[in-house]
Amino acid sequence: NAGVTQTPKFQVLKTGQSMTLQCAQDMNHEYMSWYRQDPGMGLRLIHYSVGAGITDQGEVPNGYNVSRSTTEDFPLRLLSAAPSQTSVYFCASSSTSGGGYTQYFGPGTRLTVL
Amino acid sequence: EDKVVQSPLSLVVHEGDTVTLNCSYEVTNFRSLLWYKQEKKAPTFLFMLTSSGIEKKSGRLSSILDKKELSSILNITATQTGDSAIYLCAGTPNNDMRFGAGTRLTVKP
Repeated sequence: NAGVTQTPKFQVLKTGQSMTLQCAQDMNHEYMSWYRQDPGMGLRLIHYSVGAGITDQGEVPNGYNVSRSTTEDFPLRLLSAAPSQTSVYFCASSSTSGGGYTQYFGPGTRLTVL
Repeated sequence: EDKVVQSPLSLVVHEGDTVTLNCSYEVTNFRSLLWYKQEKKAPTFLFMLTSSGIEKKSGRLSSILDKKELSSILNITATQTGDSAIYLCAGTPNNDMRFGAGTRLTVKP
């Protein structure tokens, strides 16, 4: 299993550009989520999905779109990048199957918006 | 407004010490509290707590939830330098998550 993969690892954008951060998991987890992490602020949930075709907003959804057409993939789209979106982005997947709870994070994408 | 507060913000101990990290939460429709360890890269999931008073344990780490006090603690016994990390807790209102800012633990040899 590859676990949770994210691409790219690093990205520099200019203000106003759009881009998609890719996230994929091969564990058949139903729940996937995107977070951003800024210094001194912990992690903040952007969007999440409880299954294919179902998405919902987290704490800081503005400026981001998501879709979940398959169980495996959960891309995050920045519509018009702003310097305030400079951050480290983590994708995660989790499952409660088997009576327990497991969650895995991807390695992260460091995004800089100039 | 949902809020999760961790204390202390940072802590320096020596190998072999026992530490207790605190997490308090004010989360509507609370479902669970989660603990994570973050070293230089992505967070690693440690525990999920849903029931008050039931300790979860993994090696030298243990955690317990107190729903009456809206809090949780993470204990690490016989600390090692490899325990140096940021420890995050998060409360889950429904499927959403609210994280605390984390406790930075440094374990000196």
